[in-house]
Amino acid sequence: GEDVEQSLFLSVREGDSSVINCTYTDSSSTYLYWYKQEPGAGLQLLTYIFSNMDMKQDQRLTVLLNKKDKHLSLRIADTQTGDSAIYFCAETFTNFGNEKLTFGTGTRLTIIP
Amino acid sequence: DGGITQSPKYLFRKEGQNVTLSCEQNLNHDAMYWYRQDPGQGLRLIYYSQIVNDFQKGDIAEGYSVSREKKESFPLTVTSAQKNPTAFYLCASSKSASGYTFGSGTRLTVV
Repeated sequence: GEDVEQSLFLSVREGDSSVINCTYTDSSSTYLYWYKQEPGAGLQLLTYIFSNMDMKQDQRLTVLLNKKDKHLSLRIADTQTGDSAIYFCAETFTNFGNEKLTFGTGTRLTIIP
Repeated sequence: DGGITQSPKYLFRKEGQNVTLSCEQNLNHDAMYWYRQDPGQGLRLIYYSQIVNDFQKGDIAEGYSVSREKKESFPLTVTSAQKNPTAFYLCASSKSASGYTFGSGTRLTVV
């Protein structure tokens, strides 16, 4: 089976870097994703990384993947108040040809002024 | 603009009633999904459909039903058999492994 774990809460001072961590169990995952959810809204895809990559950078976002430890992280540089949200990591899981995403519990990021 | 639309945004159900949540997409995506979100539990998969006229149960399908008669539409019915239906419901669609596109959600409350 598949399981994705995240810590529930993270507080960071404005201007500092935020690092959100995630561990997953399915070693056959092809893609891993980070989504952002603002209050009362759906999920917005932030970035994704292919499983044969170690790192991906996109402006203030850096994704690191350690396949050996099945660990994924999202670093947000220069954290702003608009970054306050719940962040979900997700992995693809393929079962008899049907592909679906499995999500972590989400990490609520709070920005301290 | 292409997108995925869920309606209504808020829905109230009396105990014992069935209700249907709408999900429509004009992205030409083949696959569609329904998730339930409860505080502190992340998203749990209810049903998904990879192609028209076919769908599979997710992790928590009991008390729910779906249909996929058209590529664009994937309605979810919450039946009276679902004992704890109050939650935030999210619909998503995808064409490839480049990620899902989510709707803005429907908040269902039992009164």
